[in-house]
Amino acid sequence: GAVVSQHPSWVICKSGTSVKIECRSLDFQATTMFWYRQFPKQSLMLMATSNEGSKATYEQGVEKDKFLINHASLTLSTLTVTSAHPEDSSFYICSARDPAGGSYIQYFGAGTRLSVL
Amino acid sequence: GQQVMQIPQYQHVQEGEDFTTYCNSSTTLSNIQWYKQRPGGHPVFLIQLVKSGEVKKQKRLTFQFGEAKKNSSLHITATQTTDVGTYFCAGRKTTDSWGKLQFGAGTQVVVTP
Repeated sequence: GAVVSQHPSWVICKSGTSVKIECRSLDFQATTMFWYRQFPKQSLMLMATSNEGSKATYEQGVEKDKFLINHASLTLSTLTVTSAHPEDSSFYICSARDPAGGSYIQYFGAGTRLSVL
Repeated sequence: GQQVMQIPQYQHVQEGEDFTTYCNSSTTLSNIQWYKQRPGGHPVFLIQLVKSGEVKKQKRLTFQFGEAKKNSSLHITATQTTDVGTYFCAGRKTTDSWGKLQFGAGTQVVVTP
């Protein structure tokens, strides 16, 4: 089955620093990847849609200068949380769409727990 | 606001009992998907429904897609402790071309032995 790897799984950083999260599709080419944020016991909130070779499309209310997304290849998308603050602490999850056969199924990475001190 | 509504938010079930979680969209969907997220884990794809009135079964799980393609349900029979987790429905709008999904709030299932 389709496998999506997300790294790191856990990161603790100081306020004001930047953190990069990687999302890789291991056994398929993902033209589209998605970045979500999830608060405890809540649903997934879509932050942005990342298309290979083009600028990401951000959802309303998500600061694009704060959450930088790069989708440089068909298997890698990165999310950089710039100048992180404690309110950015959250569970960030990426997913990748396997376009084979016209499917719109999303396969999720294991997530990254970010704690900003 | 949230366009895909899911109820109930919590479901406390005795082992062996059945339960159903429901999903409703304010707009017609192209397809609907169901995911399961175990505590501390990430969402795992369960199934995709595409056709109006479609019914699919996976062992003790039965998934339905409404005739109008605006609602869906997941019914679990003879609940087991392994069914613990949060079940999310996620709908794709007919106008979407990228595969964006609107997630419901999820139903958190707790199973008592």
